Amino acid sequence: NAGVTQTPKFQVLKTGQSMTLQCAQDMNHEYMSWYRQDPGMGLRLIHYSVGAGITDQGEVPNGYNVSRSTTEDFPLRLLSAAPSQTSVYFCASSPQGGSQHFGDGTRLSIL
Amino acid sequence: AQSVTQLGSHVSVSEGALVLLRCNYSSSVPPYLFWYVQYPNQGLQLLLKYTSAATLVKGINGFEAEFKKSETSFHLTKPSAHMSDAAEYFCAVRENFGNEKLTFGTGTRLTIIP
Repeated sequence: NAGVTQTPKFQVLKTGQSMTLQCAQDMNHEYMSWYRQDPGMGLRLIHYSVGAGITDQGEVPNGYNVSRSTTEDFPLRLLSAAPSQTSVYFCASSPQGGSQHFGDGTRLSIL
Repeated sequence: AQSVTQLGSHVSVSEGALVLLRCNYSSSVPPYLFWYVQYPNQGLQLLLKYTSAATLVKGINGFEAEFKKSETSFHLTKPSAHMSDAAEYFCAVRENFGNEKLTFGTGTRLTIIP
């Protein structure tokens, strides 16, 4: 099993560009989420989904969009990148009531 | 609202010494509590979790944590530190079954002194 797969692993963008961070899981988990990790701030929840077709906002949703058309995939879209979005992004999935499994992260720099 | 406080952003211990990483939580309902470890340039890996069964929870790599309701604490311990324990550790809380959202602490970076 691959678990939770995030692509790309590294990305550099210019301010104003858009891009999509990909996340896929092969464990048939209902719950998926996106976090950003910044020094001294731990992980903060951006968006989450409790199943295909259902998404909701987390703690820091501004500037990000998500969709969940399938159980396996949960892409995160940056509409117009800003330097404040420079961060490490983690995707996670879990069965209902279970523990979250994390991907290896995407390191994103916005110039 | 639930929250987690980790005391000490950096902890250093000598190899073979006791490891103690502190975590206090705030929750309006009996919580589910987790400890995750993050090695450099990797994602988070579950160390252990408390889900209202035994108050002393044993995890991987010799770590354990004790849930103390009276102190609202869930401190992580390991009797003897190993060089491979050097990593960042995160405590997290989830309010109840069915609400999957995790709230993380700010993390504690553990350094092992040879």
